[in-house]
Amino acid sequence: DIQMTQSPSSVSASVGDRVTITCRASQGISSWLAWYQQKPGKAPKLLIYAASILQSRVPSRFSGSGSGTDFTLTISSLQPEDFATYYCQQVKTFPHSFGGGTKVEIK
Amino acid sequence: QVQLVESGGGVVQPGRSLRLSCAASGFAFSSYAMHWVRQAPGKGLEWMAAISYDGSNKYFADSVKGRFTISRDNSKNTLFLQMSSLRAEDTAVYYCAKVRRGELPDYLDYWGQGALVTVSS
Repeated sequence: DIQMTQSPSSVSASVGDRVTITCRASQGISSWLAWYQQKPGKAPKLLIYAASILQSRVPSRFSGSGSGTDFTLTISSLQPEDFATYYCQQVKTFPHSFGGGTKVEIK
Repeated sequence: QVQLVESGGGVVQPGRSLRLSCAASGFAFSSYAMHWVRQAPGKGLEWMAAISYDGSNKYFADSVKGRFTISRDNSKNTLFLQMSSLRAEDTAVYYCAKVRRGELPDYLDYWGQGALVTVSS
């Protein structure tokens, strides 16, 4: 099975900050990676798929990069509505494992 | 608009069974693979199971293989998760989700609101 490791597990940031979250796969997954945002009590929301493609209606301040084993989610200028937990997920092989999550908190 | 509505959650004793349903609307259900994902209280997301658009292919996490079954009724636009031999560690919110394009593998673009399953004596 492929293990997905996210770092950091949490980050404190201010509105306007640039935030970067990393996700590492235990083996190569090409670009078969998604990023999701989840707010408390809500279902996850797809932000980015195929490592770098922005899902429809997702603000352009979100971007994704990487391929193979190392991936990055960047929020270029953090907005109040971006405080949430972010998860990566690989879909190259079953089981479609998730990373442990990164909580973006207000500094 | 796409809607996914889970039902069937509740409190169940260890060792018992429970069936979750996910009613889909707003898209051609029979053309899309579907998934179940769960989230234990205060924990991260855990992928559980997937089923192809026609039900011919099914995939499970090791943690539930042999205990959980995924199925679908395309005539009723409904996805199911049959859970048996339930354990305390199965306590979680269970989400159903549809894939973006239709086939597997693919990304999960719409999710239900979740159904809480509590396994406790």
